[in-house]
Amino acid sequence: SYVLTQPPSVSVAPGKTARITCGGDNLGIKSVHWYQQKAGQAPVLVVYEDSHRPSGIPERFSGSNSDNTATLTISRVEAGDEADYHCQVWDASSDHVYVFGPGTNLVVL
Amino acid sequence: EVQLLESGGGLVQPGGSLRLSCAASGFTFNSYAMSWVRQTPGRGLEWVSTITGSSDTTYYANSVKGRFTISRDNSKNTLHLQMNSLTVEDTAVYYCAKEYAPVTTYYFDQWGQGTLVSVSS
Repeated sequence: SYVLTQPPSVSVAPGKTARITCGGDNLGIKSVHWYQQKAGQAPVLVVYEDSHRPSGIPERFSGSNSDNTATLTISRVEAGDEADYHCQVWDASSDHVYVFGPGTNLVVL
Repeated sequence: EVQLLESGGGLVQPGGSLRLSCAASGFTFNSYAMSWVRQTPGRGLEWVSTITGSSDTTYYANSVKGRFTISRDNSKNTLHLQMNSLTVEDTAVYYCAKEYAPVTTYYFDQWGQGTLVSVSS
């Protein structure tokens, strides 16, 4: 089955840029989606299909995907961005299986 | 506004059963596939099961196949998950999620707040 990897934690100072990576074999040919999950809350979709933002998500959130790595970039980081971020793909090679990465905890210093 | 409200979680002994429900509102329920996704304490998200809008097809993760059954009642805008033969490994927060399916991929554009299932003796 397909496996996604993420760093357990990323730290960034307020106002700086955070980059959270998601790795997988030939990930660049798949569509990657990102969810933000604040403590005690449900996940919220922040980027879909590699680089698109749902309505209501700030432009500070952007995404890219090529080769074996997808990246969620958060510009001008704010304290309120502190959360877990999960990447996700749909594994077409299996029977309608959703695959999630293990999640990255973004710490705002 | 889309709302997904789960219920039915609780404490159950190993080998026991539990039925989760998710009440949906704010969208045309029968037009969308719905899923259950769980999250174990301190761990990542794990997809559990999906059912198409018309209930004609269901999908399950290998970890729950044969023990869990997903169903829906489109007349009541409600999604269910019947969980049998529960083990401690099934302890998690269970989220109801609305699937969005563009041409070549699938993701979840709306999530409920989750309901906690604890399996313990």
